[in-house]
Amino acid sequence: ELKVEQNPLFLSMQEGKNYTIYCNYSTTSDRLYWYRQDPGKSLESLFVLLSNGAVKQEGRLMASLDTKARLSTLHITAAVHDLSATYFCAVDITQGAQKLVFGQGTRLTINP
Amino acid sequence: NAGVTQTPKFQVLKTGQSMTLQCAQDMNHNSMYWYRQDPGMGLRLIYYSASEGTTDKGEVPNGYNVSRLNKREFSLRLESAAPSQTSVYFCASRSENTGELFFGEGSRLTVL
Repeated sequence: ELKVEQNPLFLSMQEGKNYTIYCNYSTTSDRLYWYRQDPGKSLESLFVLLSNGAVKQEGRLMASLDTKARLSTLHITAAVHDLSATYFCAVDITQGAQKLVFGQGTRLTINP
Repeated sequence: NAGVTQTPKFQVLKTGQSMTLQCAQDMNHNSMYWYRQDPGMGLRLIYYSASEGTTDKGEVPNGYNVSRLNKREFSLRLESAAPSQTSVYFCASRSENTGELFFGEGSRLTVL
C-alpha cells in the first residue's frame, strides 16, 4: 500500500524567511503533484513533476523530485502572507489504474 | 470554461436519508474521481472511473455507490447516510497529458 507522508504538518513562519516542506512516499513512482488549498476552497494545481530530477518554479515556490530517494520538496523563498494555505503533495500509482494518493497536507501560516 | 462542476455545495441530512452528489466536467477527460476530505487526513479516494462505463473502488468505498452516466458526468450516492459520512466531498477529473487532477469546488455534507 502506497503511503505518502508530509512534514511538517503545521508550519508557522515569518515573512521574508525561507523554508522547505517535505513529501516522502513508500513505493516506486515517477509522477508527483503539488496542490494548494485555501480555507474553505478547492484544490489548485501548483506543480506537475513527471521525472526524476524535475524542478519547477513559480514565483517564490520551487518544487523538486528525487524518485530514487522517493522524496519531493516544496521550497518557499522569502515568504509572504499570501502564501498562507495548506499544501498537499500527491503521488501517482503507476501500476494498474491511475490513481493519486495524497499526503496529509501541510498547513502553512505566514505571519507579518 | 466551467471545468468541474459539483452540486449541491452544501447539504444537511438526517441519519438514514439518501442523497446524490452530482459532478460534471467539460474538459473531455476520461478519468473521474470522488474524494472525501476530513481534518488531518488529507484526501481519501472513495471511487473512481477510468473511462465511461467503468467504476472502481478506492480507499474508502463503504456506504457509497457511484454512476458514470456518460463521459461528462460522475455521481456519488449515499443510500443511508451516517454521521461518519459528514465530510467535504470533492469530484475531480484527470488530464491524460499530465496526469494532474482538476477539482470541483467541493460539497460540504453534514449528517445529523
